[in-house]
This record gives sequence, structure tokens and C-alpha cells, in this order.
Amino acid sequence: DGGITQSPKYLFRKEGQNVTLSCEQNLNHDAMYWYRQDPGQGLRLIYYSQIVNDFQKGDIAEGYSVSREKKESFPLTVTSAQKNPTAFYLCASSIEYGQSNTEAFFGQGTRLTVV
Amino acid sequence: RKEVEQDPGPFNVPEGATVAFNCTYSNSASQSFFWYRQDCRKEPKLLMSVYSSGNEDGRFTAQLNRASQYISLLIRDSKLSDSATYLCAVSFYTGGFKTIFGAGTRLFVKA
Repeated sequence: DGGITQSPKYLFRKEGQNVTLSCEQNLNHDAMYWYRQDPGQGLRLIYYSQIVNDFQKGDIAEGYSVSREKKESFPLTVTSAQKNPTAFYLCASSIEYGQSNTEAFFGQGTRLTVV
Repeated sequence: RKEVEQDPGPFNVPEGATVAFNCTYSNSASQSFFWYRQDCRKEPKLLMSVYSSGNEDGRFTAQLNRASQYISLLIRDSKLSDSATYLCAVSFYTGGFKTIFGAGTRLFVKA
């Protein structure tokens, strides 16, 4: 079945540690996104990527880094510079064509907790 | 001003009621519009894309008003299973499509 897979589902990190969240899609989508969601809040865009080897900062990129070495993979690293990393992280992908894009398909999310 | 704004609610309605949500956006160059549904502790899932001519899917109707920069979602004959958070999303092109979500509106449908 086609879809987006995020792993792990739950992740615990000690303060001061970097941690990498995995996101893989087999939908052949060009665009991929990372969002952060805090309790009772909407989704805030961290980074997005339209094509391989290219990505752009979203609204809250500080303390995060990404790579896009393969079309199907868009890992997110939460660095020690991120002051409040405990949140629900969602990866998504979509098709972009011309001057429009389709809806975003989401993975099941990773809940990151700093202990 | 936030790029996409929604009334956070919550909306508490009885079964069978009609409920409407509005969402405003600030970027006049926005090109694609969507409503998503998110259940508690789950990922958002697409409910409807929103087209300029308006579109309907069963009990759900979505409208777009480009002049006033808002989109709306109408739910008729509410069911208990409609209880969820409804997120609007707006996309615009900035060298890549950037999709921005509203904070979501919580809906509780009561028996």
C-alpha cells in the first residue's frame, strides 16, 4: 500500500541531545513537509522541500535541520538548539504541478518528549 | 496578523444541527484551499478540497470567497461521529508550494 511512514511513533530525548525523526513516502510525491503541533494548537510549518537536494525554511525552522537526498525520504533532526522540542511532529507529502498543488497526505506522526 | 485564522471554538451542538466554520487567509496569491479533519491524537486527513465554484460532498459543503479571502465549511445534520477538530489549509507558491494551516476549530456533537 502507498503511504507515508514516520518512525518512531514515540521518542524520548534527554536535554542537550540531537534526535532524528524519519519520514519515508512511496507515493512518488515531489513535495514533502514537516509540521509541528503543540497541544490544542494548529500545525506550524518547520521545513518543506519541492525537489531532491532542495528545501526551504518554514515559519519555525530555528533549532531544526533537514535533508532531502532521495525523493522518498525527508528526515528531520531536532537539535539541542531547539529550546522547547516536546511536541507532535507530522510529516506530509503532496503532488505539485504547474500553478497548483494537491492536498497533503500525512504520516501518523512522532510524539517527541524531552525528559 | 496570522496567515490563516480560524475560530478555535469549541462548538457544542446537538445531533442533527447545522454548523458552519469560517477561515480567513491573508495572502491574496493563495491558490489551493482545503479542509482537513483531525481526530484526537491522530494525523489530519483531507475532508474536502475547496473550489471557487463551491463544492458539496454529502452533508458537507465548502465555499471559497476570494474577494473577502475566506473559506467556509457547512456541516448539515450533524452526527456524533463528526466530533473532531477541523483545520483549514491554504497553499501559495513561493518557489515551492507552502501550505499553511489554521489552528483548527473543535466540534463536539452531543446526543
